Amino acid sequence: EVQLVQSGAEVKKPGESLKISCKGSGYSFTSYWIGWVRQMPGKGLEWMGIIYPGDSDTRYSPSFQGQVTISADKSISTAYLQWSSLKASDTAMYYCVRQVPGDASFDYWGQGTLVTVSS
Amino acid sequence: QSALTQPASVSGSPGQSITISCTGTSSDVGGYNYVSWYQQHPGKAPKLMIYEVSNRPSGVSNRFSGSKSGNTASLTISGLQAEDEADYYCSSYTSSSIPYVFGTGTKVTVL
Repeated sequence: EVQLVQSGAEVKKPGESLKISCKGSGYSFTSYWIGWVRQMPGKGLEWMGIIYPGDSDTRYSPSFQGQVTISADKSISTAYLQWSSLKASDTAMYYCVRQVPGDASFDYWGQGTLVTVSS
Repeated sequence: QSALTQPASVSGSPGQSITISCTGTSSDVGGYNYVSWYQQHPGKAPKLMIYEVSNRPSGVSNRFSGSKSGNTASLTISGLQAEDEADYYCSSYTSSSIPYVFGTGTKVTVL
């Protein structure tokens, strides 16, 4: 069974750093792109970026380039999303997603990680 | 790259059919057959309902169907049921630098 299991909710202060994770199982982790999607409270979905764990090729939405870092450790089938200095505006639910090969759709979603940034 | 445009809300009675539109440009919806649709119930992760404009993943009810004409894609839900009440988002590949974009989202209400 394909699963993407994300790390738990986080509460942080502005300026702190954070790294959240997404562990894939039930499929060949290195053969599928893994993306990250942001959903701010009460708002829609925003595509942040994507990584191919096989060779760590990474693409970012211009809106998130320089604001976050996407990485992956294929030895433990885990992708990461990290911030070096959080802002209150980073408060959101973050989903990792698996991209369908040869398509632009996302067939499996993690359960989401809620990040709350508040002083 | 702006989000694809969807109506904020669509409603229908049980058993009826409703259609949700998703309007983009020739750089995204109109230029590629890579439109997908997602259903999101409150407090849950989105679920893939349609991929490549009109294909249903295994397990998705055949009451859901997708189509495209020019720069506008559509999701039709036939035989509307209470469980279909949710938010729906379209998504498309885009030739811009992103390269994926979501729609603004549509809240479906079953009256």
